Amino acid sequence: DGGITQSPKYLFRKEGQNVTLSCEQNLNHDAMYWYRQDPGQGLRLIYYSQIVNDFQKGDIAEGYSVSREKKESFPLTVTSAQKNPTAFYLCASSLFGSLNTGELFFGEGSRLTVL
Amino acid sequence: AQKITQTQPGMFVQEKEAVTLDCTYDTSDQSYGLFWYKQPSSGEMIFLIYQGSYDEQNATEGRYSLNFQKARKSANLVISASQLGDSAMYFCAMRSPRYNNNDMRFGAGTRLTVKP
Repeated sequence: DGGITQSPKYLFRKEGQNVTLSCEQNLNHDAMYWYRQDPGQGLRLIYYSQIVNDFQKGDIAEGYSVSREKKESFPLTVTSAQKNPTAFYLCASSLFGSLNTGELFFGEGSRLTVL
Repeated sequence: AQKITQTQPGMFVQEKEAVTLDCTYDTSDQSYGLFWYKQPSSGEMIFLIYQGSYDEQNATEGRYSLNFQKARKSANLVISASQLGDSAMYFCAMRSPRYNNNDMRFGAGTRLTVKP
């Protein structure tokens, strides 16, 4: 079945460590996104990528990094520079198109806790 | 700036009754899309319904309908015949191609609780 797979579902990290969250999609979508969700809040955009080898910062990119070497994959690294990384992270994808107003398809999310 | 406002942090509804979740948005773009997503406690985001800015008819998907009032910039979600499984967070969202490279912007969400 087509969809988006995020791993791991739960992740614990010690302060000062970098961690990488995986996001893989087999929907043949060009555009991929990373969102962060804190309790009681909506989703905030971290990074997005509209094509391979290109990505752009969202509203809260500080302390995060991404890569887009393959169309199917868009991993997110939470670096030690991120001051408050404990959150729920959601990866999404959509068809490419600057005028596209279609839906985003989401993975099941990764919950990161800093100990 | 594009902004989505959901003014109801929490809502309660009796099972089998209808409920309206409010959403207002702010954009100066003429072409945009409006969305509602459901997020159960497990965390995944479930797409419910879509309304394009040029659609003249209100969107409907089963028990979900979107009350689109373009002049008032509102896109309220109506859930008819509520079920216990409807208890979840609900997010209103917008994509506006001319802004923010067409990423999706979300409101803060409304937590709906369906009472038996």
